[in-house]
Amino acid sequence: EAQVTQNPRYLITVTGKKLTVTCSQNMNHEYMSWYRQDPGLGLRQIYYSMNVEVTDKGDVPEGYKVSRKEKRNFPLILESPSPNQTSLYFCASRPGGNSNQPQHFGDGTRLSIL
Amino acid sequence: SQQGEEDPQALSIQEGENATMNCSYKTSINNLQWYRQNSGRGLVHLILIRSNEREKHSGRLRVTLDTSKKSSSLLITASRAADTASYFCASLYNFNKFYFGSGTKLNVKP
Repeated sequence: EAQVTQNPRYLITVTGKKLTVTCSQNMNHEYMSWYRQDPGLGLRQIYYSMNVEVTDKGDVPEGYKVSRKEKRNFPLILESPSPNQTSLYFCASRPGGNSNQPQHFGDGTRLSIL
Repeated sequence: SQQGEEDPQALSIQEGENATMNCSYKTSINNLQWYRQNSGRGLVHLILIRSNEREKHSGRLRVTLDTSKKSSSLLITASRAADTASYFCASLYNFNKFYFGSGTKLNVKP
């Protein structure tokens, strides 16, 4: 089954403790992207990747890092999480060669940073 | 910065009625996509309209795009209780960057 898998689904942690949210897709998609969703603001793009070793900033990249060492994986790293990063996070992927293809979304990761 | 606005923020209708949601964006786009989200779950793609298209249909969905007004609308005809969800527009620009609207929460009463 074609899917985007995020882990963990839920995490409660404390300020300053480094964490990584993993994202994996099994559709051989070149393009992957991370979003955060906050009430009343819709989704905002954090980082995206056009292919292995090619990443770029989205609208709200501050406080986040990403890497793309393999095509299927695109982890989101919070080196020193802060309470304002408490949010619902989504990973998405789509074929890279054609921008007129929809994104496939994971089920989300709910992060609470105390 | 938020590039997409949607209205209404919330819409409550009876089953069988039509639901219309509107989306505005601020920059030139490659395409505009509509997604549906159930209760904080992942988004599901509904329909995509390219910047050179004006109208598109898919089942009970009809989407229009007016690039001169930088706006789009999604019409769901003959709504069902199962259509209850939040609906988001997403504008793609520079081929890789997405801006999402703030969403319309649709409630369809049986």
